[in-house]
Amino acid sequence: KAGVTQTPRYLIKTRGQQVTLSCSPISGHRSVSWYQQTPGQGLQFLFEYFSETQRNKGNFPGRFSGRQFSNSRSEMNVSTLELGDSALYLCASSLDFGSYNEQFFGPGTRLTVL
Amino acid sequence: AQSVTQLDSQVPVFEEAPVELRCNYSSSVSVYLFWYVQYPNQGLQLLLKYLSGSTLVKGINGFEAEFNKSQTSFHLRKPSVHISDTAEYFCAVENQGGKLIFGQGTELSVKP
Repeated sequence: KAGVTQTPRYLIKTRGQQVTLSCSPISGHRSVSWYQQTPGQGLQFLFEYFSETQRNKGNFPGRFSGRQFSNSRSEMNVSTLELGDSALYLCASSLDFGSYNEQFFGPGTRLTVL
Repeated sequence: AQSVTQLDSQVPVFEEAPVELRCNYSSSVSVYLFWYVQYPNQGLQLLLKYLSGSTLVKGINGFEAEFNKSQTSFHLRKPSVHISDTAEYFCAVENQGGKLIFGQGTELSVKP
């Protein structure tokens, strides 16, 4: 079974631009979560989607948004990029929503904002 | 609110030596606890988890961890490390909403 895939793997943008990252979960998984990883803040939860609905949200500004499609694929969007948005963005999928469902992580998308 | 503290940001150790990576959590309710490993330029891989039952949990790659409720700790151990264990290790707790809260990570560096 293929794992979680994320595209693109690397991205360079400039301040003020917007970006869209994509995540394809493991086949059969219906929940997708997004995390931001930076050296200073570590791993922080962004949001979780299940059945095309946002079920959980972290403490990030409204510039960060996401969505999930009927095939469970998910995208996250960051608008008006800031230097501090440079990070590794990780996507994780799980079979279901709620506690406890093991999360399987993708390799991440490394975003650099210049 | 739940939180996780990994007491050591870096742990250097020689090959074949034992290692312990420390993790403390704060939570007023029952917890699910996890250790993940991240190799360079890769995502996170689950090493082991504690959901309930036996407090000694065995994971992949020879790692194990012990859940200690009274000390609110979940330390990760391996009796003999290999060069290939060099990676960053994250302790995490799952909150009641089902989201993972991670510690800051511990960089394990295994030297020959």
